[in-house]
Amino acid sequence: EIVLTQSPGTLSLSPGERATLSCRASQSVSTRYLAWYQQKPGQAPRLLIYGASSRATGIPDRFSGSGSGTDFTLTISRLEPEDLAVYFCQQQGASPPWTFGQGTKVEIK
Amino acid sequence: QVQLVESGGGVVQPGGSLRLSCAAAGFSFSSYAMHWVRQAPGKGLEWVAVISYHGVNKYYVDSVKGRFTISRDNSDNTLFLQMNSLRPEDTAVYYCAREMNSGYSYGLTDYWGQGTLVTVSS
Repeated sequence: EIVLTQSPGTLSLSPGERATLSCRASQSVSTRYLAWYQQKPGQAPRLLIYGASSRATGIPDRFSGSGSGTDFTLTISRLEPEDLAVYFCQQQGASPPWTFGQGTKVEIK
Repeated sequence: QVQLVESGGGVVQPGGSLRLSCAAAGFSFSSYAMHWVRQAPGKGLEWVAVISYHGVNKYYVDSVKGRFTISRDNSDNTLFLQMNSLRPEDTAVYYCAREMNSGYSYGLTDYWGQGTLVTVSS
């Protein structure tokens, strides 16, 4: 089973600032199979990024994903108040189980 | 638009059973694999189970194997999760989610329901 470790645990930034979230895998993950989800308070998760760098339908271009191998990054270029959420990375592939990172909470100052 | 609505959650004693349902609408249900994902209170996400679009192939996380059964009724656009021998550590919000691409499942989900809370407590 692939373990995903996200850092930092909490990120506290002001509107307009850049947020950089990290996801590190215990073994190499194909870029085809790395996704990011956003979960706002009291809501279900929403798919943000798939294939490491492709934005899902309706996701603003201030969200971007990058990385390969064992290190992946979600960047929010200019934070907005509505970006307050917990962000999870997930690895997929041909064989379950599919695992999630423990999450990074983004707080808006 | 795609809609997924879970139901069936509630409070159950340890060792008890519960059956969750997920009613799907707005897409060709029989063409997509479907998942259950859970989230314990204040915790992260845990993938639980997947069923192929035709219902033949089913996979589970180790912690629920032999206790939970995923199934589907393509004639009624409904996904199910039968949960037996429930334990306190099964307490969570259970979400149903659609595999993003039709056909084979690779674990990527694009639409989620709002979830149903299962509490296992005496």
